[in-house]
Amino acid sequence: AQSVAQPEDQVNVAEGNPLTVKCTYSVSGNPYLFWYVQYPNRGLQFLLKYITGDNLVKGSYGFEAEFNKSQTSFHLKKPSALVSDSALYFCAVSPRMDSSYKLIFGSGTRLLVRP
Amino acid sequence: EAQVTQNPRYLITVTGKKLTVTCSQNMNHEYMSWYRQDPGLGLRQIYYSMNVEVTDKGDVPEGYKVSRKEKRNFPLILESPSPNQTSLYFCASSSRGTGREAFFGQGTRLTVV
Repeated sequence: AQSVAQPEDQVNVAEGNPLTVKCTYSVSGNPYLFWYVQYPNRGLQFLLKYITGDNLVKGSYGFEAEFNKSQTSFHLKKPSALVSDSALYFCAVSPRMDSSYKLIFGSGTRLLVRP
Repeated sequence: EAQVTQNPRYLITVTGKKLTVTCSQNMNHEYMSWYRQDPGLGLRQIYYSMNVEVTDKGDVPEGYKVSRKEKRNFPLILESPSPNQTSLYFCASSSRGTGREAFFGQGTRLTVV
């Protein structure tokens, strides 16, 4: 079965420190990989995606993600966290061979950045 | 402004009373989808539509119906809601082609008592 795992329910980091939110996936082929962020009482907002090419992808708000094919991982990173980064983060994959354009989501990781 | 609009944002209803959650997008997107979000489960796809009059089941379609009569609209229908359909619902749209990012509505929090 195709799945996405976000092993940490919550990540705590101090403002100014680097942050990492982990994601691994089990999807056949070479899926497209996404990160979305959800702020309170808001819908999901697109952060970044990996399609092909450079394994380090840069996205919105200073976030980046590193694709590792051998480890089937797509970890979200930011060099210096801000309090305003506190939100719920979802990793998602879309199988390339699936014409339904379906997104398979992880369970989400709550990021808490303390001042 | 490009957006996906859902209504209502909040809804409390009773078991068995039919309801419709509307979804509209102004980006001329071909692909639209409904998800439900439950704690610890992330988002799961309910139904999707590749284009007008083309719909198909997602992972958790039981108890839901959809229609796509116009390109911009994709309503979600609960014919006989039950308490296990209490959830946060999101509509999403994206343009044609794989690998395109999805645009999400602000969500509808549904409580069935």
